Amino acid sequence: DAGVTQSPTHLIKTRGQQVTLRCSPKSGHDTVSWYQQALGQGPQFIFQYYEEEERQRGNFPDRFSGHQFPNYSSELNVNALLLGDSALYLCASSPPRWGPMNTEAFFGQGTRLTVV
Amino acid sequence: AQSVTQLGSHVSVSEGALVLLRCNYSSSVPPYLFWYVQYPNQGLQLLLKYTTGATLVKGINGFEAEFKKSETSFHLTKPSAHMSDAAEYFCAVRRGVYNTDKLIFGTGTRLQVFP
Repeated sequence: DAGVTQSPTHLIKTRGQQVTLRCSPKSGHDTVSWYQQALGQGPQFIFQYYEEEERQRGNFPDRFSGHQFPNYSSELNVNALLLGDSALYLCASSPPRWGPMNTEAFFGQGTRLTVV
Repeated sequence: AQSVTQLGSHVSVSEGALVLLRCNYSSSVPPYLFWYVQYPNQGLQLLLKYTTGATLVKGINGFEAEFKKSETSFHLTKPSAHMSDAAEYFCAVRRGVYNTDKLIFGTGTRLQVFP
């Protein structure tokens, strides 16, 4: 089992550009959550996708959008990049809600985005 | 609203010494509490969690934490530090029962272990 895989691992973009980050959930997981971890900070919840729809959203502007595909993989899109968007973006996948309640979300290794 | 405060952004201990990382939470409902570890250039790995029941929870790598409702605390301890414990540690709280509910993280504590 490969766990949660994210791509790319590192990315450098210029202010104003757009970026797409990708996440493949752990086998058997159907829910994907995205977090932003700025340098020296804890992760902050961006949004969550389940059944190809955004189910929960944190306090992030509309420049941040996402998508979930039928195979449960997900994309995070950020438009009009700002210097402040530089961060580690973490994807976490969760098993179905009717699954074992003691199974927690599983995090990927993240994509480090640098905006210059 | 829920929140987490981690006291001390950096903690340094000698190898073999006690590790104590502090976490206090704020929650209007019974919280679900977590400790995660992050090694350099890695994602987050779950160390342990408190949901209900026994207030002293044991996790991986010899870590444990005690939920103290009266103190709104969930401090992480390990009796004897090892060099491999050097990492960033995050305390988190979750409002909901479901493992899909969002996590609210503290700002983290970097643990350094000296030989």
